Amino acid sequence: EAGVAQSPRYKIIEKRQSVAFWCNPISGHATLYWYQQILGQGPKLLIQFQNNGVVDDSQLPKDRFSAERLKGVDSTLKIQPAKLEDSAVYLCASSLGGEGGHTDTQYFGPGTRLTVL
Amino acid sequence: GQNIDQPTEMTATEGAIVQINCTYQTSGFNGLFWYQQHAGEAPTFLSYNVLDGLEEKGRFSSFLSRSKGYSYLLLKELQMKDSASYLCAAMDSNYQLIWGAGTKLIIKP
Repeated sequence: EAGVAQSPRYKIIEKRQSVAFWCNPISGHATLYWYQQILGQGPKLLIQFQNNGVVDDSQLPKDRFSAERLKGVDSTLKIQPAKLEDSAVYLCASSLGGEGGHTDTQYFGPGTRLTVL
Repeated sequence: GQNIDQPTEMTATEGAIVQINCTYQTSGFNGLFWYQQHAGEAPTFLSYNVLDGLEEKGRFSSFLSRSKGYSYLLLKELQMKDSASYLCAAMDSNYQLIWGAGTKLIIKP
């Protein structure tokens, strides 16, 4: 079974530029998560989708970050414009999910390491 | 507020046993996860506990005490490849994971 795919793996941009990350979850997984992980810290949830609807985006800096999952499968996360403090690894995860709350295990992709100069 | 506490770093010797502790405070509780994260890689699932007690899975075991808000991950017969960060995450009443900062485990020969 294929795992969670993410691209690109690495990205270097200058501050105020834009960047987009792509994620393809495990086939059949209804729930998709985007996390930000700063070095030495645990993952911080940015946004959670169930199918193509947003479940939680309370920690997403909406003035610069946006995310979509139009067909309930792939997802993109965009930052526009980027700031120095956005340098981090952006992890995508998916779980079986479905309606209502679930204790399903989250499976992570390899992440995108973003460096903002 | 919601909080996870775990040691920042631990050192152990190859072949030995190490216990990584985690305490949690969450609004409601739907289980405790442990993940392993090698440097530069994504977290990988190790264990899930929702009932009190010890769950054993090969060289790794995980323990939960709900009344104490406490869990530990026990690693036996340590190997060099076990050098990694170990993340503790508690699931709250909204089924959201509250993550700790991770414990960096250094294995010495």
